[in-house]
Formats: sequence, C-alpha cells, structure tokens
Amino acid sequence: QVKLVESGGGVVQPGRSLRLSCAASGFIFSSYGMHWVRQAPGKGLEWVAGISYDTSDQYYVDSVKGRFTISRDNSDNTLFLQMNSLRPADTAVYYCAKIPERYCAGVSCNSYWGQGTLVTVSS
Amino acid sequence: SYELTQPPSESVSPGQTARITCFGDTLSQQFVYWYQQKPGQAPLLLIYKDNERPSGIPERFSGSSSGTTVTLTIREVQAEDEADYYCQSADRKNSYVVFGGGTKLTVL
Repeated sequence: QVKLVESGGGVVQPGRSLRLSCAASGFIFSSYGMHWVRQAPGKGLEWVAGISYDTSDQYYVDSVKGRFTISRDNSDNTLFLQMNSLRPADTAVYYCAKIPERYCAGVSCNSYWGQGTLVTVSS
Repeated sequence: SYELTQPPSESVSPGQTARITCFGDTLSQQFVYWYQQKPGQAPLLLIYKDNERPSGIPERFSGSSSGTTVTLTIREVQAEDEADYYCQSADRKNSYVVFGGGTKLTVL
C-alpha cells in the first residue's frame, strides 16, 4: 500500500523558516521524480517544486525561487522542502506528490499524494 | 510560463453527461492529466496522457484532446461526482508543472 506522509507544517511568522518532510512507502521512491504542490485556503492547486529521481535536477515555480529548496534522501525514502523567508502568500496546505511523467507506462503512470500539511504564515 | 484555463463551474443533473474543458496554448504538444478533489481530500488522478485511465477509475470518466483544448467527460453523473476537477500539464521533463484553476462540478 502506497503512503506519503507529510510533516513539519505549522504557524510561523513572516520571514522565518520551516522544513517540510514527506515519508514515502509502498513504491520504489528512488525511481521517480517527486513534487511539492500547495493549495491556499479555498484556492486551487499550485505546483511549487520538483526534483528528479536521482537528485540531479531541481525545479521551482518563480514565486519561490531563491527561497525554497527541494531535496530528497533516497536511502530513507524521504522528500524535503526547506522554506525560507516565508511570506503570508505562502500560507497553504502543502502536498507531497508523485506526478506521472511524460514517458511513463503502466503502473509507473500512477499518481500518489499525501494528505498534506498546513503551513500558516502570520504575525 | 504558461497557463491552463478551465471554467470555474459546471452543473449537471444526475444521469446526464458532464464535460469540463481545459485550454492551453501548448496543449497540442503536451499531455494532459485530470484530477478529482473532494473537500478535505488529496487530489485523485482520473486521466493520464490525455485519455488513459488508471486502474480503479470507472469507465464513466474519459478524456479527449483537440488541438489546444482538452476535455474531461463524465458519463452518467452521480451525486458522488460532485467535486473540484483540475487539469494539469508539464514540459517534457516535468521541470515545469502547471495546473488549471479548477472547475467545481455541481450535481443538481
């Protein structure tokens, strides 16, 4: 059974930092790129960052470039998101997700999502 | 960057067919994926690569593509289909992933 379990969310003041973690199990974590997707209260989904299966490449939405860092530990099946210089606009539920890749086939096209962790940036 | 445009809302009666569209300038060159999200839940993948269904997704859900517009079709709509639906696309390496704004489907 596939599980993605996020942790590390909470209430933080503007300008401070937070580190999110996502523990993965039930699939070959080290074979797939992984992503963080967020959803502000009452709003739609917004992709935040992605990392290749082997950590060689990291990608970010423009609004978080230079502030957020995505990383992973394949030996521990864990995905991370280091968030610095947080802003009120970063307030959202943050999901850890495996999103299908263009050249996927069969079960490798499955998509997995955690239940999310809430980050609230407020003074 | 690019955007995916969805209608904010659609409504349909039970048993009828719902169609949710997604427009993007580059969609003719990229695959589209569709997700369903119910309140308080994580998104669920319904369609991948424009028109393929993951195992466990009912055949009532289907996807189609025509140039820069893709469509999610839900046949024989049920009350349980009331949810938010999002289209998603990405470049070849998933180095830039984008979601549509979402469509709230109301089952009358």
